Amino acid sequence: DQQVKQNSPSLSVQEGRISILNCDYTNSMFDYFLWYKKYPAEGPTFLISISSIKDKNEDGRFTVFLNKSAKHLSLHIVPSQPGDSAVYFCAAFLGGGDKIIFGKGTRLHILP
Amino acid sequence: DAGVIQSPRHEVTEMGQEVTLRCKPISGHDYLFWYRQTMMRGLELLIYFNNNVPIDDSGMPEDRFSAKMPNASFSTLKIQPSEPRDSAVYFCASSLKTGVVTDTQYFGPGTRLTVL
Repeated sequence: DQQVKQNSPSLSVQEGRISILNCDYTNSMFDYFLWYKKYPAEGPTFLISISSIKDKNEDGRFTVFLNKSAKHLSLHIVPSQPGDSAVYFCAAFLGGGDKIIFGKGTRLHILP
Repeated sequence: DAGVIQSPRHEVTEMGQEVTLRCKPISGHDYLFWYRQTMMRGLELLIYFNNNVPIDDSGMPEDRFSAKMPNASFSTLKIQPSEPRDSAVYFCASSLKTGVVTDTQYFGPGTRLTVL
């Protein structure tokens, strides 16, 4: 049973437009969320995170929104650039624990 | 720092053979994680260590899988005997300390395993 779900395996967005990647979770005890980005033949790299006490965190072109009541978070990339083409993993972290639970990932294609 | 180092980068073996994957974490990191990535299941945590001690191996799929961390700078993941369904990309990651919100995991480049 997947606790972190990324229901869109892939997404295509025009360069310069906004990319929105979505993630749902089932465990209300998760208190910290992360997004990782992965290029082919490389390991995932940390992108941005958000604590459950916040509903928004921004870092340059990347913004993560958290809706706790809906158990939903999203990553917004504005404007989208060719280098953003990658697989994006949503991940969640239980407070006091050590493990990060990852979603299956969403492949983002930025179209020229 | 060179980051997390994994070897080999690619491994092709035949069913029934033993496979050993290696990982060198970032120096000074307390935690080491082994993950497996497949199309069907995404990125799954197999096992993790804290200060060289295995903490949670509930993600290890079967007894054919074993992992060790003999010292702070080296870990192995062994599959014996290997089966075609073990074909995947295996990642090692390390972090300075989890349980602290600012800590993140740093991943190695992965080992792509193909079992024929």
